[in-house]
Amino acid sequence: QKEVEQDPGPLSVPEGAIVSLNCTYSNSAFQYFMWYRQYSRKGPELLMYTYSSGNKEDGRFTAQVDKSSKYISLFIRDSQPSDSATYLCAMSAETDSWGKFQFGAGTQVVVTP
Amino acid sequence: ETGVTQTPRHLVMGMTNKKSLKCEQHLGHNAMYWYKQSAKKPLELMFVYNFKEQTENNSVPSRFSPECPNSSHLFLHLHTLQPEDSALYLCASSQRTGSNQPQHFGDGTRLSIL
Repeated sequence: QKEVEQDPGPLSVPEGAIVSLNCTYSNSAFQYFMWYRQYSRKGPELLMYTYSSGNKEDGRFTAQVDKSSKYISLFIRDSQPSDSATYLCAMSAETDSWGKFQFGAGTQVVVTP
Repeated sequence: ETGVTQTPRHLVMGMTNKKSLKCEQHLGHNAMYWYKQSAKKPLELMFVYNFKEQTENNSVPSRFSPECPNSSHLFLHLHTLQPEDSALYLCASSQRTGSNQPQHFGDGTRLSIL
Protein backbone atom coordinates (compact mmCIF):
# COMPACT_ATOMS: atom_id res chain seq x y z
CA GLN A 1 0.00 0.00 0.00
CA LYS A 2 1.31 3.44 -0.94
CA GLU A 3 1.78 5.82 1.94
CA VAL A 4 -0.11 8.58 0.09
CA GLU A 5 -2.82 7.86 -2.48
CA GLN A 6 -4.04 10.40 -5.01
CA ASP A 7 -6.31 9.82 -8.01
CA PRO A 8 -4.28 10.65 -11.16
CA GLY A 9 -7.29 11.98 -13.10
CA PRO A 10 -7.62 13.74 -15.43
CA LEU A 11 -10.40 15.63 -13.71
CA SER A 12 -12.26 17.75 -16.24
CA VAL A 13 -14.59 20.54 -15.07
CA PRO A 14 -16.29 23.46 -16.81
CA GLU A 15 -15.14 26.99 -16.03
CA GLY A 16 -16.78 28.35 -12.91
CA ALA A 17 -17.32 24.95 -11.30
CA ILE A 18 -15.84 23.82 -7.99
CA VAL A 19 -12.81 21.57 -8.27
CA SER A 20 -12.58 18.96 -5.53
CA LEU A 21 -9.30 17.13 -4.97
CA ASN A 22 -8.30 14.70 -2.26
CA CYS A 23 -5.56 12.48 -0.89
CA THR A 24 -5.68 9.60 1.53
CA TYR A 25 -2.78 8.47 3.64
CA SER A 26 -1.87 5.63 5.94
CA ASN A 27 0.63 7.15 8.39
CA SER A 28 -1.21 8.56 11.39
CA ALA A 29 1.95 10.46 12.40
CA PHE A 30 1.53 12.99 9.56
CA GLN A 31 0.87 16.43 11.00
CA TYR A 32 1.84 18.87 8.24
CA PHE A 33 -0.10 18.92 4.99
CA MET A 34 0.63 20.81 1.81
CA TRP A 35 -0.84 21.26 -1.63
CA TYR A 36 1.31 22.14 -4.60
CA ARG A 37 0.28 23.17 -8.11
CA GLN A 38 2.48 22.14 -11.02
CA TYR A 39 2.00 23.58 -14.47
CA SER A 40 3.37 21.72 -17.48
CA ARG A 41 7.16 22.19 -17.80
CA LYS A 42 7.29 23.96 -14.43
CA GLY A 43 8.22 23.01 -10.90
CA PRO A 44 5.68 22.53 -8.08
CA GLU A 45 4.42 25.77 -6.54
CA LEU A 46 3.25 25.80 -2.92
CA LEU A 47 -0.46 26.64 -2.68
CA MET A 48 -1.60 25.73 0.81
CA TYR A 49 0.08 24.65 4.03
CA THR A 50 -1.83 23.41 7.06
CA TYR A 51 -1.00 21.88 10.39
CA SER A 52 -3.04 19.10 11.99
CA SER A 53 -6.80 19.06 11.43
CA GLY A 54 -9.21 21.72 10.30
CA ASN A 55 -9.83 24.07 7.41
CA LYS A 56 -7.77 26.82 5.86
CA GLU A 57 -8.99 29.27 3.25
CA ASP A 58 -6.95 31.46 0.91
CA GLY A 59 -8.88 33.27 -1.78
CA ARG A 60 -10.56 30.71 -4.02
CA PHE A 61 -8.71 27.83 -2.34
CA THR A 62 -9.82 25.86 0.72
CA ALA A 63 -7.80 23.06 2.28
CA GLN A 64 -9.37 20.59 4.68
CA VAL A 65 -7.70 17.98 6.87
CA ASP A 66 -9.56 15.11 8.51
CA LYS A 67 -6.99 13.23 10.55
CA SER A 68 -9.52 10.76 11.92
CA SER A 69 -10.22 9.56 8.38
CA LYS A 70 -6.64 10.16 7.15
CA TYR A 71 -8.03 12.27 4.34
CA ILE A 72 -7.18 15.72 3.03
CA SER A 73 -8.99 17.82 0.44
CA LEU A 74 -8.43 20.89 -1.68
CA PHE A 75 -11.34 22.85 -3.13
CA ILE A 76 -11.01 25.45 -5.85
CA ARG A 77 -14.02 27.73 -6.22
CA ASP A 78 -14.96 29.57 -9.41
CA SER A 79 -12.42 27.57 -11.38
CA GLN A 80 -10.62 29.22 -14.29
CA PRO A 81 -8.79 27.75 -17.30
CA SER A 82 -5.59 29.01 -15.64
CA ASP A 83 -6.25 26.47 -12.86
CA SER A 84 -5.53 23.67 -15.33
CA ALA A 85 -2.48 21.96 -13.84
CA THR A 86 -1.41 18.94 -11.84
CA TYR A 87 -2.06 19.22 -8.10
CA LEU A 88 0.22 17.39 -5.69
CA CYS A 89 -0.46 16.72 -2.05
CA ALA A 90 2.42 16.35 0.38
CA MET A 91 2.64 15.57 4.06
CA SER A 92 5.19 15.07 6.79
CA ALA A 93 5.44 13.85 10.36
CA GLU A 94 6.58 15.88 13.37
CA THR A 95 9.39 13.38 13.88
CA ASP A 96 10.94 13.97 10.45
CA SER A 97 13.65 16.40 11.49
CA TRP A 98 15.20 16.63 8.05
CA GLY A 99 12.04 17.42 6.11
CA LYS A 100 11.09 14.19 4.43
CA PHE A 101 7.78 14.89 2.74
CA GLN A 102 5.65 12.12 1.29
CA PHE A 103 4.10 13.23 -1.97
CA GLY A 104 1.11 11.96 -3.86
CA ALA A 105 1.57 11.23 -7.56
CA GLY A 106 -0.64 14.18 -8.49
CA THR A 107 -4.09 14.78 -9.98
CA GLN A 108 -4.32 16.41 -13.40
CA VAL A 109 -7.07 19.03 -13.58
CA VAL A 110 -8.47 20.44 -16.81
CA VAL A 111 -10.81 23.44 -16.65
CA THR A 112 -12.62 23.92 -19.93
CA PRO A 113 -13.87 27.39 -21.04
CA GLU B 1 16.62 36.82 -9.90
CA THR B 2 14.22 35.42 -7.37
CA GLY B 3 13.26 31.95 -6.20
CA VAL B 4 15.01 28.75 -7.17
CA THR B 5 16.78 28.58 -10.53
CA GLN B 6 17.91 25.38 -12.21
CA THR B 7 20.19 24.97 -15.22
CA PRO B 8 20.14 23.53 -17.75
CA ARG B 9 16.42 23.15 -18.36
CA HIS B 10 16.96 20.23 -20.69
CA LEU B 11 19.83 17.75 -20.94
CA VAL B 12 20.37 14.82 -23.27
CA MET B 13 23.34 12.59 -22.55
CA GLY B 14 24.73 9.20 -23.38
CA MET B 15 25.26 6.57 -20.73
CA THR B 16 29.01 7.15 -20.65
CA ASN B 17 28.91 10.95 -20.36
CA LYS B 18 29.58 13.08 -17.30
CA LYS B 19 27.43 16.12 -16.75
CA SER B 20 26.31 18.34 -13.87
CA LEU B 21 23.02 19.94 -12.90
CA LYS B 22 23.07 23.28 -11.13
CA CYS B 23 20.65 24.84 -8.67
CA GLU B 24 20.76 28.31 -7.14
CA GLN B 25 18.33 29.76 -4.62
CA HIS B 26 17.83 33.46 -3.91
CA LEU B 27 15.50 33.01 -0.92
CA GLY B 28 18.08 33.13 1.86
CA HIS B 29 17.30 29.53 2.79
CA ASN B 30 19.68 27.15 4.52
CA ALA B 31 18.37 23.76 3.36
CA MET B 32 18.43 22.41 -0.18
CA TYR B 33 17.08 19.22 -1.70
CA TRP B 34 17.29 17.13 -4.87
CA TYR B 35 14.20 15.23 -6.04
CA LYS B 36 13.52 12.92 -8.97
CA GLN B 37 10.11 13.16 -10.65
CA SER B 38 9.08 10.37 -13.02
CA ALA B 39 5.80 10.32 -14.93
CA LYS B 40 2.78 9.31 -12.85
CA LYS B 41 4.96 8.68 -9.77
CA PRO B 42 5.37 10.64 -6.54
CA LEU B 43 8.42 12.83 -6.10
CA GLU B 44 11.38 10.82 -4.82
CA LEU B 45 13.68 12.58 -2.38
CA MET B 46 17.33 11.99 -3.28
CA PHE B 47 19.52 14.21 -1.11
CA VAL B 48 19.14 16.77 1.66
CA TYR B 49 21.62 19.46 2.66
CA ASN B 50 21.33 21.67 5.72
CA PHE B 51 23.81 24.53 6.14
CA LYS B 52 26.01 22.90 3.44
CA GLU B 53 26.13 19.57 5.27
CA GLN B 54 24.56 16.51 3.72
CA THR B 55 22.01 15.20 6.18
CA GLU B 56 20.36 12.53 4.09
CA ASN B 57 21.12 10.25 1.17
CA ASN B 58 17.97 8.39 0.35
CA SER B 59 19.68 5.23 -0.93
CA VAL B 60 20.63 6.90 -4.19
CA PRO B 61 23.04 5.04 -6.55
CA SER B 62 26.59 6.32 -6.56
CA ARG B 63 26.31 7.42 -10.20
CA PHE B 64 24.56 10.48 -8.70
CA SER B 65 26.93 12.66 -6.69
CA PRO B 66 25.71 15.85 -4.98
CA GLU B 67 27.78 18.87 -4.04
CA CYS B 68 26.79 21.86 -1.93
CA PRO B 69 29.56 24.49 -1.81
CA ASN B 70 27.37 27.01 0.09
CA SER B 71 23.78 27.43 1.23
CA SER B 72 22.77 29.05 -2.06
CA HIS B 73 24.17 26.56 -4.54
CA LEU B 74 23.61 22.87 -5.10
CA PHE B 75 24.97 20.61 -7.83
CA LEU B 76 24.16 17.10 -8.95
CA HIS B 77 27.03 15.40 -10.78
CA LEU B 78 25.99 12.64 -13.14
CA HIS B 79 28.16 9.77 -14.37
CA THR B 80 27.42 6.53 -16.23
CA LEU B 81 23.67 6.93 -15.99
CA GLN B 82 21.11 4.33 -17.04
CA PRO B 83 18.03 4.79 -19.27
CA GLU B 84 15.78 4.51 -16.18
CA ASP B 85 17.42 7.66 -14.85
CA SER B 86 15.57 9.70 -17.47
CA ALA B 87 13.27 12.00 -15.48
CA LEU B 88 12.68 15.54 -14.29
CA TYR B 89 15.18 16.48 -11.58
CA LEU B 90 13.89 19.10 -9.19
CA CYS B 91 15.79 21.22 -6.72
CA ALA B 92 14.03 22.68 -3.69
CA SER B 93 14.95 24.84 -0.73
CA SER B 94 13.52 25.69 2.66
CA GLN B 95 14.48 27.97 5.54
CA ARG B 96 15.95 24.94 7.29
CA THR B 97 15.26 21.23 7.37
CA GLY B 98 12.22 20.10 9.31
CA SER B 99 8.77 18.68 8.82
CA ASN B 100 7.22 22.12 9.31
CA GLN B 101 9.34 23.85 6.67
CA PRO B 102 7.55 24.23 3.33
CA GLN B 103 9.83 23.56 0.39
CA HIS B 104 10.08 25.83 -2.64
CA PHE B 105 10.93 24.25 -5.98
CA GLY B 106 12.75 25.23 -9.13
CA ASP B 107 11.41 24.36 -12.58
CA GLY B 108 13.65 21.34 -12.92
CA THR B 109 16.05 19.85 -15.44
CA ARG B 110 14.49 17.42 -17.90
CA LEU B 111 17.10 14.68 -18.30
CA SER B 112 17.07 12.16 -21.14
CA ILE B 113 19.55 9.27 -21.24
CA LEU B 114 20.21 7.79 -24.65
